[in-house]
Amino acid sequence: DGGITQSPKYLFRKEGQNVTLSCEQNLNHDAMYWYRQDPGQGLRLIYYSQIVNDFQKGDIAEGYSVSREKKESFPLTVTSAQKNPTAFYLCASRARDTLMNTEAFFGQGTRLTVV
Amino acid sequence: GQNIDQPTEMTATEGAIVQINCTYQTSGFNGLFWYQQHAGEAPTFLSYNVLDGLEEKGRFSSFLSRSKGYSYLLLKELQMKDSASYLCAVRVLPGGATNKLIFGTGTLLAVQP
Repeated sequence: DGGITQSPKYLFRKEGQNVTLSCEQNLNHDAMYWYRQDPGQGLRLIYYSQIVNDFQKGDIAEGYSVSREKKESFPLTVTSAQKNPTAFYLCASRARDTLMNTEAFFGQGTRLTVV
Repeated sequence: GQNIDQPTEMTATEGAIVQINCTYQTSGFNGLFWYQQHAGEAPTFLSYNVLDGLEEKGRFSSFLSRSKGYSYLLLKELQMKDSASYLCAVRVLPGGATNKLIFGTGTLLAVQP
């Protein structure tokens, strides 16, 4: 079955440590996105990528880094520079835009807690 | 800047109809999406509008007016399982060939018996 997979579902991190969240899709989608969701604030865009080896900062990129070495994979690293990393992280992918409807498909999310 | 507004919470009765509004001020508008999200789960796609008018899909309909920067999601024959957050998202072109999806804060709908 095609889909988008995030792992792990729950992640605990000690303060000062970097941690990497995995996102893999087998939908042959060109575009991939990382969002952060906090209570009462909806989804905020961290990074996005339209093609392999290229990505752009979203609205809240500080303290995060990404890579897009393969079309299928878009891992997100939460660095120690991110001051408030506890949140629900969602990865999404979308086919290359045309004039037709191209909705984003979301993974099940990773809930990161800093302890 | 980009701004999308939705009511924070709404309450409705099982079997009734509810309308969830979304207003937006964005640059390079290229389509509006509605998603449903149950607590702790991934958002799932409900509808898409890029031209003015009403799109109907079963119990769900979505309307768009680009001149007014306004959309609504209409849910008919409400069921208890419709209790969820409903997210309005606008696709924008930030000055290049790259599209971004900007989300509103979501509307938490509670369906009561």
